[in-house]
Amino acid sequence: DTAVSQTPKYLVTQMGNDKSIKCEQNLGHDTMYWYKQDSKKFLKIMFSYNNKELIINETVPNRFSPKSPDKAHLNLHINSLELGDSAVYFCASSLRTGSAFFGQGTRLTVV
Amino acid sequence: ELKVEQNPLFLSMQEGKNYTIYCNYSTTSDRLYWYRQDPGKSLESLFVLLSNGAVKQEGRLMASLDTKARLSTLHITAAVHDLSATYFCAVDTTTSGTYKYIFGTGTRLKVLA
Repeated sequence: DTAVSQTPKYLVTQMGNDKSIKCEQNLGHDTMYWYKQDSKKFLKIMFSYNNKELIINETVPNRFSPKSPDKAHLNLHINSLELGDSAVYFCASSLRTGSAFFGQGTRLTVV
Repeated sequence: ELKVEQNPLFLSMQEGKNYTIYCNYSTTSDRLYWYRQDPGKSLESLFVLLSNGAVKQEGRLMASLDTKARLSTLHITAAVHDLSATYFCAVDTTTSGTYKYIFGTGTRLKVLA
């Protein structure tokens, strides 16, 4: 059983399009995250949700809108995609303390 | 702003050799995490260090934490090719009562046969 699963794994799209990435965790964690990993492998937090509530928004452009319909799901919708949005996006979850568990990542390529 | 720095950024070493990766962070935290990432894959949790002086070992890897020096080390003993990967340290910090993980820059390790 996959603990944190993201779909799709790969996403290739044109500039200006809108796309969504879905994430689900079956670990019973109360906190979920979106991280962005750039081409140099730097990992930067984008959003954090705790019990469906947005807690952290790390100065991410408004084009990125997370949604958490319940504790087990955190989706990411991106409007008007730009070339600079190309990266690997990771969903993760954790309890209030302890290791975060990561999904397999979504490699987004904007052309 | 909390910063987490690792060095070296790149490490190429021969099989059988020992080496240490360093992780420095800029604010008080009692919890530090080490992760491994293989190319094109997700991040895998290796160690959770929860207090000053904590030491954890798994196979050829040993991690330690000195919260007073704000330093963690990941020591590799008698490296083997299978250890080739990128290693990240991360520190958690609270914002509005919820934790977030700040990651180091990563150390890309290549073990040469």
